Amino acid sequence: EAGVVQSPRYKIIEKKQPVAFWCNPISGHNTLYWYRQNLGQGPELLIRYENEEAVDDSQLPKDRFSAERLKGVDSTLKIQPAELGDSAVYLCASSPRRGGLYTGELFFGEGSRLTVL
Amino acid sequence: TQLLEQSPQFLSIQEGENLTVYCNSSSVFSSLQWYRQEPGEGPVLLVTVVTGGEVKKLKRLTFQFGDARKDSSLHITAAQTGDTGLYLCAGGKGGNTGKLIFGQGTTLQVKP
Repeated sequence: EAGVVQSPRYKIIEKKQPVAFWCNPISGHNTLYWYRQNLGQGPELLIRYENEEAVDDSQLPKDRFSAERLKGVDSTLKIQPAELGDSAVYLCASSPRRGGLYTGELFFGEGSRLTVL
Repeated sequence: TQLLEQSPQFLSIQEGENLTVYCNSSSVFSSLQWYRQEPGEGPVLLVTVVTGGEVKKLKRLTFQFGDARKDSSLHITAAQTGDTGLYLCAGGKGGNTGKLIFGQGTTLQVKP
């Protein structure tokens, strides 16, 4: 079974430029998460989707960040314009349900490392 | 605000030593997961504990969920260099809530 696929793995951009990250979750996983992680730190949730609906975006900086999950499968996270402080690894994860309930078990992609110069 | 605090933040030990990592919160969680992350990779799930007092073993790793389901520990026996990485605990409310809170992580370095 294929895991969570993210692209690009690495991105270097100048500040004020736009950037987009793509995620393909594990087939059948309805819940999709975008996290941001700084070096040596735990992941911080940006947004959580249940199918195509964003059910928790309270920590998404909406002035510059946007996300979408069309058709409830693939997802895209965009930053426009990027700032120096956005340099981090952006992780996508998907999670299965069992008996209709959340399991809390996340399967992560390898992440997209963003460097803003 | 629900917080999960991990300790220690950094740990550097010699191969063969034992160690314990702690994950504490003032909140009750329906489940708690431990992940290990290697450089350049995403976190990988090691174990899920759901019952207060539960103990799970994964080879040389022993995971325990506190009786009150507010804390957890990870004990590694006879650490190996391959155990090096970032260890993350994460607490979930489960049920109809998919929210998951991560601790800040414990960086473990096992030297040969």
